[in-house]
Amino acid sequence: KAGVTQTPRYLIKTRGQQVTLSCSPISGHRSVSWYQQTPGQGLQFLFEYFSETQRNKGNFPGRFSGRQFSNSRSEMNVSTLELGDSALYLCASSSQPDGNYGYTFGSGTRLTVV
Amino acid sequence: DQQVKQNSPSLSVQEGRISILNCDYTNSMFDYFLWYKKYPAEGPTFLISISSIKDKNEDGRFTVFLNKSAKHLSLHIVPSQPGDSAVYFCAARDQNSGGSNYKLTFGKGTLLTVNP
Repeated sequence: KAGVTQTPRYLIKTRGQQVTLSCSPISGHRSVSWYQQTPGQGLQFLFEYFSETQRNKGNFPGRFSGRQFSNSRSEMNVSTLELGDSALYLCASSSQPDGNYGYTFGSGTRLTVV
Repeated sequence: DQQVKQNSPSLSVQEGRISILNCDYTNSMFDYFLWYKKYPAEGPTFLISISSIKDKNEDGRFTVFLNKSAKHLSLHIVPSQPGDSAVYFCAARDQNSGGSNYKLTFGKGTLLTVNP
């Protein structure tokens, strides 16, 4: 059974550019969440989608956005990149709409903004 | 305002001994708690969880204890093995009044090193 797949694994972008990250959840999982991990802040919640609807959003600026497709695959987009956006971006999926039994994380996309 | 705190950035134990990782929280609306393990260059891996209606959950070498009155939970690993060396994250789910309890609030993690 394939796990959560995130692409690309590594990305280097320049300040001011935009970036799109992709996440394919485990087959049958309809809940997809995104987290940002930085050394100073740990894992911080970005947003969560279920059946193409954003159900919850963390405290991030509007430059961070996402969407979910009918096949549950999800993308997140960051526009006008800043140096502080350099982080590991993690996607997680769950088979349960309320997240019971935990979320399965992908290996993440390491974004470096220069 | 950090709602989930792991006050020990690191912990070192001997193989075969018990590892105790601690986590404190401030939000009384948290209803579900989870522990994740993370190796470098990998995503967090779900370990064990506990509902707020319980005070203990056990799964093999891993046991999580919840003290609601103290807003404290701990993860016990017995016996500890070198392969357990990783960063451990405590996470909590918020059953807010809006019903959109689908986000996890994580602590900053504790690096566990199990020495052979």
